[in-house]
Amino acid sequence: DGGITQSPKYLFRKEGQNVTLSCEQNLNHDAMYWYRQDPGQGLRLIYYSQIVNDFQKGDIAEGYSVSREKKESFPLTVTSAQKNPTAFYLCATLGGRQHFGDGTRLSIL
Amino acid sequence: GQQLNQSPQSMFIQEGEDVSMNCTSSSIFNTWLWYKQDPGEGPVLLIALYKAGELTSNGRLTAQFGITRKDSFLNISASIPSDVGIYFCAGSQETSGSRLTFGEGTQLTVNP
Repeated sequence: DGGITQSPKYLFRKEGQNVTLSCEQNLNHDAMYWYRQDPGQGLRLIYYSQIVNDFQKGDIAEGYSVSREKKESFPLTVTSAQKNPTAFYLCATLGGRQHFGDGTRLSIL
Repeated sequence: GQQLNQSPQSMFIQEGEDVSMNCTSSSIFNTWLWYKQDPGEGPVLLIALYKAGELTSNGRLTAQFGITRKDSFLNISASIPSDVGIYFCAGSQETSGSRLTFGEGTQLTVNP
């Protein structure tokens, strides 16, 4: 969907390093979400934020962290504690319905 | 977390055929959504259902919200090659629809 920018499109990192995925929106939506998608599986919720300076864990939050200092931005950090970080990560916002960005594919070398 | 059972996992059909896929759950949902995802992109909403028994169409797509509120189906009529992709159902148990649970997806392949 237009209005949600995820960057970069592809990201490679060495094992043991933290990495931060960017999600920016210009839709003026309060709620933002991070999902993880693995091949042949549906989307699983990592974290979500319903308002600035507040966020909640989703179903698979272990090994991830987020911040929500601005309404427009909801960055996701994949820490070295995440055992299997290679996946496709999707950011979404809620404005009547969930809108999705185009995703970031993270690969750990 | 909550899971939705989506079937079939994959379908291989000829152009022009109709397609049907469904999602079921052991829990009640207040909202059912159907998304399509193309490779390397985010899901795009196809149809949203907000009321038990609701039947909604979007062009060649038709979706229904099951009477029990525990299931939904999506039909695609007269399939075309650009229908290829992964179709996901999603449900929300909250009236705001703010937190979604996704099915595992149906991979659709359409042979010209």
